[in-house]
Amino acid sequence: EADIYQTPRYLVIGTGKKITLECSQTMGHDKMYWYQQDPGMELHLIHYSYGVNSTEKGDLSSESTVSRIRTEHFPLTLESARPSHTSQYLCASSLYNEQFFGPGTRLTVL
Amino acid sequence: AQKITQTQPGMFVQEKEAVTLDCTYDTSDQSYGLFWYKQPSSGEMIFLIYQGSYDEQNATEGRYSLNFQKARKSANLVISASQLGDSAMYFCAMRAYSGGGADGLTFGKGTHLIIQP
Repeated sequence: EADIYQTPRYLVIGTGKKITLECSQTMGHDKMYWYQQDPGMELHLIHYSYGVNSTEKGDLSSESTVSRIRTEHFPLTLESARPSHTSQYLCASSLYNEQFFGPGTRLTVL
Repeated sequence: AQKITQTQPGMFVQEKEAVTLDCTYDTSDQSYGLFWYKQPSSGEMIFLIYQGSYDEQNATEGRYSLNFQKARKSANLVISASQLGDSAMYFCAMRAYSGGGADGLTFGKGTHLIIQP
């Protein structure tokens, strides 16, 4: 059983607000990822990290930013939320091949 | 760049029957991995099975097996003796280990599997 956590699970927020989606894992994995998934659609990689102080943009362009100050923590921030950011955001971590996913955050921006 | 194609948007299957979910992929990399994930309506992604491009034997995990046909670039998931709890979205994904590019999984659009009693 993977130990990767995301908070909040659900978030409804107004346009223009700054939000931070939290992701943490207790497995000591160096690699962590953020994916975005619109309802009924596939996942797209938006950010990844190889370890502390390493962050890279993924295949899908995103206005969000990430940081990796500690191995276990990989938060995602939106400085000014817009309705187009409404989606599910899934965090994952990996040691070798398999990626373990968190439960996801369903974000709705009104 | 990698591409995953899942041609079955939805499937209805009788309980206890075997199910085959189709997946084809496209990549120019020689070293890659293929994955299947299950996503129930609650939204979490559950890892099912993995196949490396150099693995000669098809991967199996309990009721799940991966029918890997490298020459056809096919990685179908087979679920034996389906159960009502198997109803979910199923995603095929891949990751290339050689070359540049973002280090993450490329997903297909998924197949919505519904098991009927």
